[in-house]
Amino acid sequence: GENVEQHPSTLSVQEGDSAVIKCTYSDSASNYFPWYKQELGKRPQLIIDIRSNVGEKKDQRIAVTLNKTAKHFSLHITETQPEDSAVYFCAASRGGATNKLIFGTGTLLAVQP
Amino acid sequence: DVKVTQSSRYLVKRTGEKVFLECVQDMDHENMFWYRQDPGLGLRLIYFSYDVKMKEKGDIPEGYSVSREKKERFSLILESASTNQTSMYLCASIDQGLATEAFFGQGTRLTVV
Repeated sequence: GENVEQHPSTLSVQEGDSAVIKCTYSDSASNYFPWYKQELGKRPQLIIDIRSNVGEKKDQRIAVTLNKTAKHFSLHITETQPEDSAVYFCAASRGGATNKLIFGTGTLLAVQP
Repeated sequence: DVKVTQSSRYLVKRTGEKVFLECVQDMDHENMFWYRQDPGLGLRLIYFSYDVKMKEKGDIPEGYSVSREKKERFSLILESASTNQTSMYLCASIDQGLATEAFFGQGTRLTVV
């Protein structure tokens, strides 16, 4: 079945440093790759996404890259701040009637002030 | 403001009880999901539904069933609760188009004693 692997499971960085989280998906038909952020005690919320016809997308301090050949995609956070501390989930989807999101196992990011 | 609402935030049930977790969305989304969230395991898909009365098994359906009698409501049923079903349960809904955001409920922390 479809599978999304995510690494690392935990990541600790100093405030101002960059953070990178990597995911690999198994379903070649996946064409939509969102990233969700879940703060402690809250529900996951979409922070950025990318479609398969795009290699990179940026939104202020966050960016996502996609390598369809290798079936890899990554989240990049620059100039990290304490409020970036959260669990981050990657996901992959085909879209359409059976549009289901398969999530990775999550990365706990801790930004040390 | 879009909303996905789960009926309970915290729930304590006894082993063997039948448990109902309810989820309601007000966005007219076709697809709804139930995920289970456990530390280190991410968001694992239990069941999803792409239309009224339509359902498909996810990755971990054993011990669970679902019901979708109306478009806005998706129920997760634990036929006979067991201690290994103690977990955080998250409901989500999404439009069937590509590149659409999933919206999550606030989660139900279920403890089976």
